[in-house]
Amino acid sequence: GAGVSQTPSNKVTEKGKYVELRCDPISGHTALYWYRQSLGQGPEFLIYFQGTGAADDSGLPNDRFFAVRPEGSVSTLKIQRTERGDSAVYLCASSSGTGGNEQYFGPGTRLTVT
Amino acid sequence: GENVEQHPSTLSVQEGDSAVIKCTYSDSASNYFPWYKQELGKRPQLIIDIRSNVGEKKDQRIAVTLNKTAKHFSLHITETQPEDSAVYFCAASKSNYQLIWGAGTKLIIKP
Repeated sequence: GAGVSQTPSNKVTEKGKYVELRCDPISGHTALYWYRQSLGQGPEFLIYFQGTGAADDSGLPNDRFFAVRPEGSVSTLKIQRTERGDSAVYLCASSSGTGGNEQYFGPGTRLTVT
Repeated sequence: GENVEQHPSTLSVQEGDSAVIKCTYSDSASNYFPWYKQELGKRPQLIIDIRSNVGEKKDQRIAVTLNKTAKHFSLHITETQPEDSAVYFCAASKSNYQLIWGAGTKLIIKP
């Protein structure tokens, strides 16, 4: 079946603008994760959803970042008042549930803030 | 919180030789340790994982060992091939969902 998909694949925005990044998890996967990956580094955890609720949002860097998953499937990561330091690849992953299950990653959205 | 350190940052080996990447973790409560492979410009993909109740796990040319006492785990790739060239990440988790990642090892296979 289809894997995790993310749109857009690339996003260039000006400093101060608002952006939305979308993630479509694997059908039936209840767990969804957002990560941020800067060049040469490992993914950095941002937020984890179990169903519709954010079970852990401790990785969100500040209140400019927000994520939703209203129907327990598609998730949107929202960044307000973007800053150049927000430039990174934003990765989404999904898994079938808790318990150390394999996380399947999407291709990522490369965000560039100019 | 958990901290994962990974070494080396770059590893160059001759094709056919073995490669070993090591990681240490700080939180003794961590109980799940996956390894991901990420090719340039592509998404991370799980290649092998191990839980804290097991000391070693093998899958063809890939093996992972875990030493809970010393809080370190290692990835072993034997008979390396050109397609093994990639960045490899270790990770640790105690919550079964929040993965704390190492900084990655760039593996270069020399022909």
